[in-house]
Amino acid sequence: DTGVSQDPRHKITKRGQNVTFRCDPISEHNRLYWYRQTLGQGPEFLTYFQNEAQLEKSRLLSDRFSAERPKGSFSTLEIQRTEQGDSAMYLCASSYGNLEAFFGQGTRLTVV
Amino acid sequence: QKEVEQDPGPLSVPEGAIVSLNCTYSNSAFQYFMWYRQYSRKGPELLMYTYSSGNKEDGRFTAQVDKSSKYISLFIRDSQPSDSATYLCAMSRFIQGAQKLVFGQGTRLTINP
Repeated sequence: DTGVSQDPRHKITKRGQNVTFRCDPISEHNRLYWYRQTLGQGPEFLTYFQNEAQLEKSRLLSDRFSAERPKGSFSTLEIQRTEQGDSAMYLCASSYGNLEAFFGQGTRLTVV
Repeated sequence: QKEVEQDPGPLSVPEGAIVSLNCTYSNSAFQYFMWYRQYSRKGPELLMYTYSSGNKEDGRFTAQVDKSSKYISLFIRDSQPSDSATYLCAMSRFIQGAQKLVFGQGTRLTINP
């Protein structure tokens, strides 16, 4: 499968715990995006990487959130001290240049 | 006011019907217009991608963009039960060289056999 891959598909965590998600983009894609989608809403932009550089962060990305893309390949999104309001689907997308973005299957986070 | 407005539905039609899905937007800076299909608990799947006013056809799907009215539509002909999904419109503008997508709320569509 050469699409965008996300791991895990589903994560249940207790409030206050830290979680980390991984995204593997399509191999030749230099741009990688993270979005968050809550129930009944469209995805909302969180952050964007061009190669290894994080160039844009939404105000939705509080200090508890951090994203990295070492070596411009896979990316990780970490949430520290999770809160119930963090429960959502976290989507990763990748693109080559300004061409269309392709999404992964998402990681569904449930904070209990 | 949201930048992109989309009627969330739900919309239920019989198999074979023509479906019309619509979005309006307020930001003239949007340059690219997309429709994504999302099945339950799955990621969005790109259906149509266009950047100019007018119509673009792909099989049973037609995307229509009217930049003067800030209005986009997706038409599905000969609808099938497998078309049942949530349809998301998305629009993009460039920030630091990259496309930032702004999505509508999504319209939940059910095609009844």
